[in-house]
Amino acid sequence: AQSVAQPEDQVNVAEGNPLTVKCTYSVSGNPYLFWYVQYPNRGLQFLLKYITGDNLVKGSYGFEAEFNKSQTSFHLKKPSALVSDSALYFCAVRDAGSARQLTFGSGTQLTVLP
Amino acid sequence: DAGITQSPRHKVTETGTPVTLRCHQTENHRYMYWYRQDPGHGLRLIHYSYGVKDTDKGEVSDGYSVSRSKTEDFLLTLESATSSQTSVYFCAISEGWETDTQYFGPGTRLTVL
Repeated sequence: AQSVAQPEDQVNVAEGNPLTVKCTYSVSGNPYLFWYVQYPNRGLQFLLKYITGDNLVKGSYGFEAEFNKSQTSFHLKKPSALVSDSALYFCAVRDAGSARQLTFGSGTQLTVLP
Repeated sequence: DAGITQSPRHKVTETGTPVTLRCHQTENHRYMYWYRQDPGHGLRLIHYSYGVKDTDKGEVSDGYSVSRSKTEDFLLTLESATSSQTSVYFCAISEGWETDTQYFGPGTRLTVL
């Protein structure tokens, strides 16, 4: 079975401060991990993914995520938050080599305060 | 939104009526997906297609059917809509299977009264 958890429904951070949106996962084999962002009344936009290789993945809009196999985590980070980063963020996982489809977390609402 | 359109964008219907949502892509991607988004549940897969006339069930397929007669079009049908199917529906596409990124359409907001 595969699952993904986003333990925080809401994250607030001041503009200019670093931000972290947490994601933990559970898979039987190796994970393929994805981050998406959703702005109000829009579809999901792809930010970054981890398939293999370097544990630090860089993506769009200055975001990055670190794959940590021992902690089964894939937290999304940005060194300096912008008000325009305020959105709903989704983590997703697929168990490599399985026939299972992508499983999404329940989402984390990020609010960057001016 | 990666060459994906969904129609209609908003629909209000009554319980018991049939509803069809359309997803159209211009990317010639092999895989297409239908998800629903509900508060607290993230996105849940309804059905997906891995080619023309090739479809399979997802996590929450009960009450839904799909068809794909052309590469570019993927239809989602609610045979007899219920209030529990009130949701936002997203179509997604991907070129490949396991490691390929899924790209999402703008969504359809469906309200069943």
